[in-house]
Amino acid sequence: QKEVEQDPGPLSVPEGAIVSLNCTYSNSAFQYFMWYRQYSRKGPELLMYTYSSGNKEDGRFTAQVDKSSKYISLFIRDSQPSDSATYLCAMSSDSNYQLIWGAGTKLIIKP
Amino acid sequence: DAGVTQSPTHLIKTRGQHVTLRCSPISGHKSVSWYQQVLGQGPQFIFQYYEKEERGRGNFPDRFSARQFPNYSSELNVNALLLGDSALYLCASSLRNTGYQPQHFGDGTRLSIL
Repeated sequence: QKEVEQDPGPLSVPEGAIVSLNCTYSNSAFQYFMWYRQYSRKGPELLMYTYSSGNKEDGRFTAQVDKSSKYISLFIRDSQPSDSATYLCAMSSDSNYQLIWGAGTKLIIKP
Repeated sequence: DAGVTQSPTHLIKTRGQHVTLRCSPISGHKSVSWYQQVLGQGPQFIFQYYEKEERGRGNFPDRFSARQFPNYSSELNVNALLLGDSALYLCASSLRNTGYQPQHFGDGTRLSIL
């Protein structure tokens, strides 16, 4: 079993829809949770960072962490075709700052 | 401001050859990490360097090595290339290696092994 599980998709939704992306993990030591966006032939770009549990909002993006369920989510409101990309979750612990990644979910926003 | 830059962008090699990949971090960043990303998967951690010293190593064979220079740029070397080494190699830089530090990625070097 992988430490971080993420549905690879693809997830296809119409423009303007609310998108929900999720990851589950098994290591209870993870404290730092990140979402990256990766366009084709580009490097990952940090979107959101959350420490421990709770919610964080930045514009159209909201990140949620539920440590009791070992489950993290990224919500995208008013989705745009330019949001079409692969979304990767990553996490690390206090004792080891090495990032552990999900496989990424390919998101397609249809105009 | 310039982001993380990597060179070359694309490289084709044959089995058994050696390759050197290069990375220049964001100005002021002293930590550099290397990742391997196989198509359809998330990045896998290879090395982290901080202040020219290796601070972390992932589960990769000794064919993989790296170093960091006084100007904080870094090289990743891979010897005796195998077909399975075909991947996107990503470099990320951060200010420090203590506490949580956001990692900023370059666009990678796409390595193809024939």
